[in-house]
Amino acid sequence: DAKTTQPPSMDCAEGRAANLPCNHSTISGNEYVYWYRQIHSQGPQYIIHGLKNNETNEMASLIITEDRKSSTLILPHATLRDTAVYYCIVRGNTGTASKLTFGTGTRLQVTL
Amino acid sequence: NAGVTQTPKFQVLKTGQSMTLQCAQDMNHEYMSWYRQDPGMGLRLIHYSVGAGITDQGEVPNGYNVSRSTTEDFPLRLLSAAPSQTSVYFCASSYPSGGGWSEAFFGQGTRLTVV
Repeated sequence: DAKTTQPPSMDCAEGRAANLPCNHSTISGNEYVYWYRQIHSQGPQYIIHGLKNNETNEMASLIITEDRKSSTLILPHATLRDTAVYYCIVRGNTGTASKLTFGTGTRLQVTL
Repeated sequence: NAGVTQTPKFQVLKTGQSMTLQCAQDMNHEYMSWYRQDPGMGLRLIHYSVGAGITDQGEVPNGYNVSRSTTEDFPLRLLSAAPSQTSVYFCASSYPSGGGWSEAFFGQGTRLTVV
């Protein structure tokens, strides 16, 4: 079973920030939060991951709450090309815990 | 680098036929895995390998075999295809990082239909 809960769908206007929430209330201390996206049935694409600190890269920012029970992926200036299904995944880093368990994700629709 | 390459991109099989889905990566990644994705669903892990000669089962291994004779290749064999195996199959690879494994790099998928 997926360890995360995400809204099934969200809309965002092009140029605005897209904020995608994820609940992971059962996360354990050594588990990371990973985000992937899948554009139109292509292979999933890694976006970002974090343990407890906020992270930022060229694609997005990841905000993790202090208790680590939830997080938010932020696409600062969404474009039409960001329309995709976004998966939030909790993952350990070693052994069998390093497997990726995908839920059904959030379908983000970016509109003009 | 080509990354993770899957062949074929599309395949139609008849029930009972066997076939091998190919997956190759040129990044020297030790960890490779196979997933299937059914319509409207997330990906489910079929088999994975942490290095040449080592394989293990994932969440949905029945009806599939794998082997890992080289670091680069991780083929997935369907022994006797069934309509329930109609799906999109993704291969992924990772490298060692921080005592564990890096993010996964995915191929573009093989869309399989069993009739």
